Amino acid sequence: NAGVMQNPRHLVRRRGQEARLRCSPMKGHSHVYWYRQLPEEGLKFMVYLQKENIIDESGMPKERFSAEFPKEGPSILRIQQVVRGDSAAYFCASSPFFREGTEAFFGQGTRLTVV
Amino acid sequence: QKEVEQDPGPLSVPEGAIVSLNCTYSNSAFQYFMWYRQYSRKGPELLMYTYSSGNKEDGRFTAQVDKSSKYISLFIRDSQPSDSATYLCAMSSAAYNTDKLIFGTGTRLQVFP
Repeated sequence: NAGVMQNPRHLVRRRGQEARLRCSPMKGHSHVYWYRQLPEEGLKFMVYLQKENIIDESGMPKERFSAEFPKEGPSILRIQQVVRGDSAAYFCASSPFFREGTEAFFGQGTRLTVV
Repeated sequence: QKEVEQDPGPLSVPEGAIVSLNCTYSNSAFQYFMWYRQYSRKGPELLMYTYSSGNKEDGRFTAQVDKSSKYISLFIRDSQPSDSATYLCAMSSAAYNTDKLIFGTGTRLQVFP
């Protein structure tokens, strides 16, 4: 059973370009979380999605960031008009369902560098 | 004040030492407490998971939660060089149908032979 797959592993974008980060959850998992990790900082929650629904986006910046988890295909985190401050590692985690304290499994992350 | 505070280290110990890692938190609604291990350039992997107060042991690892003091700990016995990694504490309240995790900044541990 493959783990959480994120691609690309590394992404370089120039300022003003768009970045698309993909996350394929573990088989049978329908809940996806996105976290961002800035250098020397812990992971910060961004958004929680179920298939076709955004459940909690309290950690998403108000502008330029969006996320989706369509009925078919991976979850996508999209960053428009990237700036240097968006450079970070972005991690996706998945879980099979919502139940209090259910373990979420993390992917290897996408490291975004904005030049 | 951050919701979760964790000493960033680095912590350097000899092989075989007992390691103590700690976090404090301010949100009394947290009910679930986790420790993750993260190797360089990798994703976090769950080490220990505890619900509410108490102790939990798994091999060389022991997790403790003291909700009255808002303090959690991870002990590693007989530490090995392979334990060298960043250790992240995380917690959640599972309120409002969201199980998002609040992480500490991580403690970097180096175990030397």
